[in-house]
Amino acid sequence: DAGVIQSPRHEVTEMGQEVTLRCKPISGHDYLFWYRQTMMRGLELLIYFNNNVPIDDSGMPEDRFSAKMPNASFSTLKIQPSEPRDSAVYFCASSPDRGLSPLHFGNGTRLTVT
Amino acid sequence: SQQGEEDPQALSIQEGENATMNCSYKTSINNLQWYRQNSGRGLVHLILIRSNEREKHSGRLRVTLDTSKKSSSLLITASRAADTASYFCERGSYIPTFGRGTSLIVHP
Repeated sequence: DAGVIQSPRHEVTEMGQEVTLRCKPISGHDYLFWYRQTMMRGLELLIYFNNNVPIDDSGMPEDRFSAKMPNASFSTLKIQPSEPRDSAVYFCASSPDRGLSPLHFGNGTRLTVT
Repeated sequence: SQQGEEDPQALSIQEGENATMNCSYKTSINNLQWYRQNSGRGLVHLILIRSNEREKHSGRLRVTLDTSKKSSSLLITASRAADTASYFCERGSYIPTFGRGTSLIVHP
């Protein structure tokens, strides 16, 4: 079990550019969560999927943010166009269910928008 | 807010001392979970305590739960420099949300 895999680990881009963050959840996990972490706001839930279907995207800050899960082993979080205030660490986490099972987090993507 | 709130925000101790951090929440729970986050890493699950349990141990970790006060504590005994991390509680909700955590620094 390789755990949740996120790529890239670091991303530096200029304002206005499109950014795509990637996540491979643990095989067999039906739930996938995207979080954003900043010093100011802590760890915020952006969106989560169940069986590849987006269930709640109320945490997505703006229309510039979109997330997809085309299959059980891959999800993307896209920001277009990116802005400096989007700079943060973005985490993906997966879970087999929403009972007693804990979340398994990836090591995040540190995004810097200049 | 729906998430647990950790207290204190920051804690600095010497190696060998015990570290206690607290979590308060507002609504009823089925279970409460504690996570650790090392610098530059994702959160890692530490321990789960069910609502009908009052205390649980795992190695040097001791978690207590007081549902009447809607609070939980995480005690790390005989702390080590490697325990330096941020610690978060999550109240076992269907949609997991987190507070700002407690930043623990253990000085060697």
